Amino acid sequence: QVQLVESGGGVVQPGRSLRLSCAASGFTFSSYAIHWVRQAPGKGLEWVTVISYDGGNKYYADSVMGRFTISRDNSNNTLYLQMNSLRADDTAVYYCARDRGRFSNWFFDYWGQGTLVTVSS
Amino acid sequence: QSVLTQPPSVSGAPGQRVTISCTGSSSNIGAGYDVNWYQQLPGTAPKLLIYGKSNRPSGVPDRFSGSKSDTSASLAITGLQAEDEADYYCQSFDSSLGGAVFGGGTKLTVL
Repeated sequence: QVQLVESGGGVVQPGRSLRLSCAASGFTFSSYAIHWVRQAPGKGLEWVTVISYDGGNKYYADSVMGRFTISRDNSNNTLYLQMNSLRADDTAVYYCARDRGRFSNWFFDYWGQGTLVTVSS
Repeated sequence: QSVLTQPPSVSGAPGQRVTISCTGSSSNIGAGYDVNWYQQLPGTAPKLLIYGKSNRPSGVPDRFSGSKSDTSASLAITGLQAEDEADYYCQSFDSSLGGAVFGGGTKLTVL
């Protein structure tokens, strides 16, 4: 069955960096675009970024543009999110979510369980 | 402020029908982009409920259905059950923002 397992969350000071990972199994990882979506505590969902099946196309929300970088390692079925210059409003549960297509069909058919990132001094 | 607007809460008694609205604009729903719906049970990750033109993933009961008109969309749940109590989110693509957008979420309470 399709599984997405995030890791790498934790408490980090403002201005510092953190890298999240998402390990995929149960499907052909290299055939699907993958997104990161986040949810601040007690708040709604916010799309963050997406990467195409081959890593050739990437798109970002304005709120993270220039600070976050999405990448993937298809040989190890793993997605990454490098987060730099973290701010308090980046505090959220970060979910990786599979798209239906190689590029983005802009919806999410499978989600991981999420990893919590807390930005605080 | 979310790009798509949903009511914060709705409620209904077991067996009843409820609808959740999702209002967008000419750069998302009104531009013809699909509206998708997700269910988030307390303490869990969101789950895809409806995608495209009211398509349901395997395992989602046909009590759930979606519709779209102009710049709005709706999720209908018939035969309400206690297990339906959750947060529901609509989602689409916005051409002005160049990415996916969500509604603020609607908390469904089964009375």
